Amino acid sequence: DIQMTQSPSTLSASVGDRVTITCRASQTINNWLAWYQQKPGKAPNLLIYKASSLESGVPSRFSGSGSGTDFTLTISSLQPGDFATYYCQQYDSYPLTFGGGTKVE
Amino acid sequence: EVQLLESGGGLVQPGGSLRLSCAASGFIFNNYAMAWVRQAPGKGLEWVSVIIADGSRTPYAASVKGRFTISRDNSKNTLYLQMNSLRAEDTAVYYCAKERTNEGHFDSWGQGTLVTVSS
Repeated sequence: DIQMTQSPSTLSASVGDRVTITCRASQTINNWLAWYQQKPGKAPNLLIYKASSLESGVPSRFSGSGSGTDFTLTISSLQPGDFATYYCQQYDSYPLTFGGGTKVE
Repeated sequence: EVQLLESGGGLVQPGGSLRLSCAASGFIFNNYAMAWVRQAPGKGLEWVSVIIADGSRTPYAASVKGRFTISRDNSKNTLYLQMNSLRAEDTAVYYCAKERTNEGHFDSWGQGTLVTVSS
């Protein structure tokens, strides 16, 4: 199974900050990586797919980058609605696996 | 607008069974793979299973293989998850999710249904 490791697990930031979350796969996943945002009591929301493609309707302050095994999610200027937990997910092979999450507080 | 509405969750004793349903609307259901993803209380996301559009392939997470069965009824636009031999560690919110382009990531999610396994 491909293990996904996110860091940090918790991130303290302020409105307007540039925020970067990293995700490392235990083996190459050929850019088959997605990022989700989840707010308390709500379902996850797709932000990024194929490592760097922005999902329709997602603000452009969100961006993804990386290749091979190392990936990042960047929020260029943190907004009040961005305080949430973020998850990466690989879909290179089954079982599909998620990172442990990064809480932005 | 895509809508996914889960039902069937509740309290069940260890060793018991439960069947979850997910009613889909707003898209051509039989064109997309569908999945179940769960989240234990205070924990992260865990993929459970997926069923491709025609139902011919159904991979499972090792933690549920042999106990859970995913299925779909394309005539009713409904996804199912039959859960047998339930354990305390199966306690979670179960989300139904639609794959974005049949590639393994999810662009639409239901609101979730809580399954609690406890005596």
